Amino acid sequence: DAGVTQSPTHLIKTRGQHVTLRCSPISGHKSVSWYQQVLGQGPQFIFQYYEKEERGRGNFPDRFSARQFPNYSSELNVNALLLGDSALYLCASSLVLGLELFFGPGTRLTVL
Amino acid sequence: AQRVTQPEKLLSVFKGAPVELKCNYSYSGSPELFWYVQYSRQRLQLLLRHISRESIKGFTADLNKGETSFHLKKPFAQEEDSAMYYCALSNNAGNMLTFGGGTRLMVKP
Repeated sequence: DAGVTQSPTHLIKTRGQHVTLRCSPISGHKSVSWYQQVLGQGPQFIFQYYEKEERGRGNFPDRFSARQFPNYSSELNVNALLLGDSALYLCASSLVLGLELFFGPGTRLTVL
Repeated sequence: AQRVTQPEKLLSVFKGAPVELKCNYSYSGSPELFWYVQYSRQRLQLLLRHISRESIKGFTADLNKGETSFHLKKPFAQEEDSAMYYCALSNNAGNMLTFGGGTRLMVKP
């Protein structure tokens, strides 16, 4: 198993655009979480999904949305991009809620 | 609200010296705390969690509820310990981790 995979690796967008980030969890893992990591800071929780349902939402505006598919993969969508959305977006999966998180390599988003 | 504070952005020690990476937390419920580590060009990964009470790669961390701290310690640092270390706190529902800002540990030869 390659572990958690994320695509794309890097992405450059301009202000006002929309972006979709994708994540495939470790096989058998039913929970996916999304974190935003701004340069020089620790990761900040955005969403958690378990069994295709949203189980947690961090303090992010409604421009951020996500979903989990029947195969447990997930997408993070961000609308109306702002310069401040530039960050590394991390996806993590776990077998069930509350267990160890396994992180992906991240998607580096740059908003110009 | 839950909060995790790592007061040191950078900690530099010599090989063989003791290491202590500080972590303080604020949480009204029963805390569950973790240390995550990121080695150069690798993914963020779990180092240890307080409920398991185990030592990983020589590191230990004790939860001190009175001082609301969860400091990470190792008696003799190795060069391969050089990495970014993040302290994290889970909420009671187990669906959200709050991370500290991280401490970069540099172990010099």
